[in-house]
Amino acid sequence: QKEVEQNSGPLSVPEGAIASLNCTYSDRGSQSFFWYRQYSGKSPELIMSIYSNGDKEDGRFTAQLNKASQYVSLLIRDSQPSDSATYLCAAWMDSSYKLIFGSGTRLLVRP
Amino acid sequence: EAQVTQNPRYLITVTGKKLTVTCSQNMNHEYMSWYRQDPGLGLRQIYYSMNVEVTDKGDVPEGYKVSRKEKRNFPLILESPSPNQTSLYFCASSMGLDGGTEAFFGQGTRLTVV
Repeated sequence: QKEVEQNSGPLSVPEGAIASLNCTYSDRGSQSFFWYRQYSGKSPELIMSIYSNGDKEDGRFTAQLNKASQYVSLLIRDSQPSDSATYLCAAWMDSSYKLIFGSGTRLLVRP
Repeated sequence: EAQVTQNPRYLITVTGKKLTVTCSQNMNHEYMSWYRQDPGLGLRQIYYSMNVEVTDKGDVPEGYKVSRKEKRNFPLILESPSPNQTSLYFCASSMGLDGGTEAFFGQGTRLTVV
């Protein structure tokens, strides 16, 4: 079992729709979670961080964390073609001092 | 400007020829790490460092070496590169050991070993 798992996609949504990206993790001790966006050939850039159960909103982005079920999600409202990218979920593993990434979900927003 | 700088951005080399990819950060971060990214496999950690002179293996350390003699620099060394090390490499840094802070990434180094 991978430590952080994501559906590779692609997830295709029409412009203006809500895109929902999901991630599960295996280490129950993980406390810190991150969503990164990565355009092809570029470096990952942080979109959201979340540390507590519940929702965290920042503009069009909402991160959701459920530690009991060990999943993290990212909602993108009013999706734009410029949101088309690969979204990486990451979890900090306290047990090993590592930031572990999922393999990413490719999002396509159709104009 | 706060940043992580990697060099070179692109590198083509031959099997067995030692090379070093440099990484430098100007944010006084304690934690630095190297990742490689391959299609379908995501980002995999090669080595990490929690502070000067403190380094440890990540998930895919074979064929790589690192050093951390200064806080700002964390070079990645390939003593004898092989074609299976052809990949996109990223250096990253973050503030501290609690992991509760974001990781800043360098621009990436695309390495081809022929």
